[in-house]
Amino acid sequence: QSVLTQPPSASGTPGQRVTISCSGSSSNIGSNTVNWYQQLPGTAPKLLIYSNNQRPSGVPDRFSGSKSGTSASLAISGLQSEDEADYYCAAWDDSLNGRYVFGTGTKVTVL
Amino acid sequence: QVQLVQSGAEVKKPGASVKVSCKASGYTFTSYYMHWVRQAPGQGLEWMGIINPSGSNTNYAQKFQGRVTMTRDTSTSTVYMELSSLRSEDTAVYYCARGEVGDYWGQGTLVTVSS
Repeated sequence: QSVLTQPPSASGTPGQRVTISCSGSSSNIGSNTVNWYQQLPGTAPKLLIYSNNQRPSGVPDRFSGSKSGTSASLAISGLQSEDEADYYCAAWDDSLNGRYVFGTGTKVTVL
Repeated sequence: QVQLVQSGAEVKKPGASVKVSCKASGYTFTSYYMHWVRQAPGQGLEWMGIINPSGSNTNYAQKFQGRVTMTRDTSTSTVYMELSSLRSEDTAVYYCARGEVGDYWGQGTLVTVSS
């Protein structure tokens, strides 16, 4: 039922760069900003990136976000073991009187 | 510091209702909307709706229209999410999240629906 599509998994070795895509449509990513969340095992999600490419205070600059058209990406550079988590993109969608939609989620594994 | 503290785990029978609370502190309660998001076991995040604590207006996901009610109590800086006509598929962890971007999240409340 998720409106935003992400790859189910991504992986890399420590120090590598990993990129996660998020594909949407004109009613969500195409017309609104994208947020990204990190969910470590057994914990609540945490805001990682907001407004496409802004990092909240305390989020390492290894995490970066971008958006182009109806797609967005999250990049993790210098991958670390503690980055092993689930990552979700999200955006407001202008259809159906407005709704907040999440991506399908991507599990990042550090090899 | 901003904190969102949710009520404890619940076990409900099918057909019953559950009311989950989310008590906010560390900021001006009426200045930020509050989302409710749920996560079924092993599944992704699902948006349920949002409430404006200032005017109490709400916007519910179409899937939950008619079954969910979000309210707030400004005297205690608490928002509530009540879900009725529970079924087994509603077994999930329910989260509150502050603001339009969800910059702070509650710890989650596990709701188990089982006969």
